[in-house]
Amino acid sequence: AQSVTQLDSHVSVSEGTPVLLRCNYSSSYSPSLFWYVQHPNKGLQLLLKYTSAATLVKGINGFEAEFKKSETSFHLTKPSAHMSDAAEYFCVVSDYNNQGGKLIFGQGTELSVKP
Amino acid sequence: DTEVTQTPKHLVMGMTNKKSLKCEQHMGHRAMYWYKQKAKKPPELMFVYSYEKLSINESVPSRFSPECPNSSLLNLHLHALQPEDSALYLCASSQALSGLGVVSSGNTIYFGEGSWLTVV
Repeated sequence: AQSVTQLDSHVSVSEGTPVLLRCNYSSSYSPSLFWYVQHPNKGLQLLLKYTSAATLVKGINGFEAEFKKSETSFHLTKPSAHMSDAAEYFCVVSDYNNQGGKLIFGQGTELSVKP
Repeated sequence: DTEVTQTPKHLVMGMTNKKSLKCEQHMGHRAMYWYKQKAKKPPELMFVYSYEKLSINESVPSRFSPECPNSSLLNLHLHALQPEDSALYLCASSQALSGLGVVSSGNTIYFGEGSWLTVV
């Protein structure tokens, strides 16, 4: 069975400093992996996705993630945090094993950005 | 345009009421989803429709009744809900494969802004 573990429930950074949100996955297949962001009282917005093309994936708003098969990781990074980045971030793996497109969510990481 | 539109944004209902949540997308997607999200938790899948047919029901209580009238619309009918059903209800859509109608592993699922439901 596929699973996702987000290693930090809460990350706090100062504005202008780098962001690192960590995600490890477990999958028997070549997975499709996603990062979604959810701002307060909003729906989920796709940041980026990996689907077995380039291992370094660039997303919106300056975010990127690197797929490392040997480490089963898909960490999300951004060189310089902005106040507007404060939100909940979900690492997600797509379960395509005849489950009709189920997404397996991590528990989420809350990112706080201090001025 | 990658937009999934949900109405209403907020709904307060009593335990004896009947109400509906509505979702619409015009991206030509043939898979549509309902998720339930409690505060500080990830979304939980409730239902999946593929080509307007219910393909997944995650053992959701019958007081939640989904309906997919056409390829662009998805409804969630609510009846005799409990206070613990109060949550954010998210609609989503994606492309679907032909054949089994199973969503491709690489297909992106696009979410709406959600409907905040409070049961009193």
